[in-house]
Amino acid sequence: DTGVSQDPRHKITKRGQNVTFRCDPISEHNRLYWYRQTLGQGPEFLTYFQNEAQLEKSRLLSDRFSAERPKGSFSTLEIQRTEQGDSAMYLCASSLAGTRFTDTQYFGPGTRLTVL
Amino acid sequence: GDSVTQMEGPVTLSEEAFLTINCTYTATGYPSLFWYVQYPGEGLQLLLKATKADDKGSNKGFEATYRKETTSFHLEKGSVQVSDSAVYFCALSDQTGTYKYIFGTGTRLKVLA
Repeated sequence: DTGVSQDPRHKITKRGQNVTFRCDPISEHNRLYWYRQTLGQGPEFLTYFQNEAQLEKSRLLSDRFSAERPKGSFSTLEIQRTEQGDSAMYLCASSLAGTRFTDTQYFGPGTRLTVL
Repeated sequence: GDSVTQMEGPVTLSEEAFLTINCTYTATGYPSLFWYVQYPGEGLQLLLKATKADDKGSNKGFEATYRKETTSFHLEKGSVQVSDSAVYFCALSDQTGTYKYIFGTGTRLKVLA
């Protein structure tokens, strides 16, 4: 069990550019969540996957955001035409649904995005 | 909708002092409750959890009891150390099947030697 990993850890981009983040969950975990955390705030839910299916998206996830989880393993979060308001820490978490630990999520170290 | 309210920080304590960080929640149904800790530059680490009323979660000297009657889940530690300095987040897991978390705004703890 190597934990949840995220790449890159830091990303600086210019407004209008596209960025993509990757999350590798704990290997046997079938659920994967994305959250966004702005400075001084708690994380806010963006979207989640059960295996490869994206089952819920928050209203925070505008049309410029898209997430995928091909083959139910790693996931990517892409932001198109970035805006300064997208600057935040993007956190990924995974869990094992269908067990008594369904509601326990394990978080990665996050990707800090800065949009100039 | 569901929500979590935490006491504002920062909280500054001397080493070996008693710690309480207040957390109250609003939820439909009976959510699971969690405390996570975030050290500088790192992601969130699960500290403890409780899944039903009167459950007590504990880990590394930290404790919190699920109080349904007061809708609270206050975090306590009898004697803090400098290494406990971090941001602490209270969260609930929604029970609609998503199990997404609703977090409080976090409480920064600074422990002085």
